[in-house]
This record gives sequence, structure tokens and C-alpha cells, in this order.
Amino acid sequence: DTAVSQTPKYLVTQMGNDKSIKCEQNLGHDTMYWYKQDSKKFLKIMFSYNNKELIINETVPNRFSPKSPDKAHLNLHINSLELGDSAVYFCASSQDPSGENYGYTFGSGTRLTVV
Amino acid sequence: AQTVTQSQPEMSVQEAETVTLSCTYDTSESDYYLFWYKQPPSRQMILVIRQEAYKQQNATENRFSVNFQKAAKSFSLKISDSQLGDAAMYFCAYRISYMFSGGYNKLIFGAGTRLAVHP
Repeated sequence: DTAVSQTPKYLVTQMGNDKSIKCEQNLGHDTMYWYKQDSKKFLKIMFSYNNKELIINETVPNRFSPKSPDKAHLNLHINSLELGDSAVYFCASSQDPSGENYGYTFGSGTRLTVV
Repeated sequence: AQTVTQSQPEMSVQEAETVTLSCTYDTSESDYYLFWYKQPPSRQMILVIRQEAYKQQNATENRFSVNFQKAAKSFSLKISDSQLGDAAMYFCAYRISYMFSGGYNKLIFGAGTRLAVHP
């Protein structure tokens, strides 16, 4: 059973297209995140949601729109893709954001290549 | 602003030997959490070990242990009896909590250290 699953694992698309990445967690966690890993392997948070509510938006271009239909899902939609959007995108979840159960579980990542 | 620094872009170790990966961080908070994550070529982010700042005892997980020096803001990872499967990128991370915003949080990552293990 995969705890945090992302689809697709690989995505190659042309500039200007619109694409979505889906994420689902079966851990019952309250908070979900999107992180971006650039070509130099640097990881940075993009968004976090807690019980479907947007909590963190880290100065991400508004071409990126997260959507959380329920607390087990957090999808990422990207409009008008640019070359600079090429990266690995990780979904993650955590249990109680302010309590002792502070572990994060990551998905396996989606490698997005914009050509 | 909180930052995490990993000063060793690359490290190498012989199989069965011990290696230490460095991590320093900057924060004005007194309570926080620190993590080491491993990212093998499969790209999966795997939690290796975690440490609560209020605990003076260093965390250990089998062959992995940390040297947590709170005053020095240092959080190094020691891997004992290194195995070929330990070869990966290792990321140090700090958990920032916005306690006055409903307790929500995020991880701040260092730039990573690539560890090679030689037979």
C-alpha cells in the first residue's frame, strides 16, 4: 500500500500547455504539501493545505493552482507551462502540524520536463 | 529567516567505515525539529532520523545517529558501518512552525550532500 502516491511519475509536455499532477494519501494525515526540487536538487515548499484549506503559498506564480477536493487529495494544476517549470514535484503529508506527530511522508515525485 | 546549510556538496566513504555529514542551521526559535532525509537514485525521499530540539539526547536509528549541538546550531549525521545501499543524496531539514497561525508548518531543506560508498 502506497502511503502517498503521485501520478504521473513522468510528464513531458510542450511550452504553453496546461497540465495536472495528482496526489493522494491514505495515511489519514491532516496536512498536505507540494514541494519543488530544481535541477540542482534544491527542495522548496510551494503550498500546504490543512483539511482542504490553503495555509502556505510561497510566492509561487499564479499559473500554479493547487486544489484539494478532500483532505486525502491535493492536486497541482499548472497553466501555460514554461521551460523553467521543469523540475521534480513532490507531494507530502504530515499528521498533526502542531503536535508531537511531526513526521512527513513524501510521494515518489513527478519529473516534469517542459520542451 | 531560518536557513539550513550543508557545507559538503559531496562525500565518500569506504564500505564498513564511518562517515559524518555536516549540517548547520540558523533560527531564533527555541523549539523546533530537525530531520535527515535520504534520496537515492530512485528519487524517493526517505526519512532517516529526526530530533526534537528540546531533547538533549541525540537521536539514533540503527546505524544512523546524530550529534545535535543546540548552542552551536549544528546537527550532523553519522553513518556507521556504511553499506553500498547508503549511497544517496542526504538532506538536512528544519521544521519551522507558525505557532501563531494555527500551528502550521513547513520544512526548510539544505542543499544536500551526495554520499558515495566505495566497496
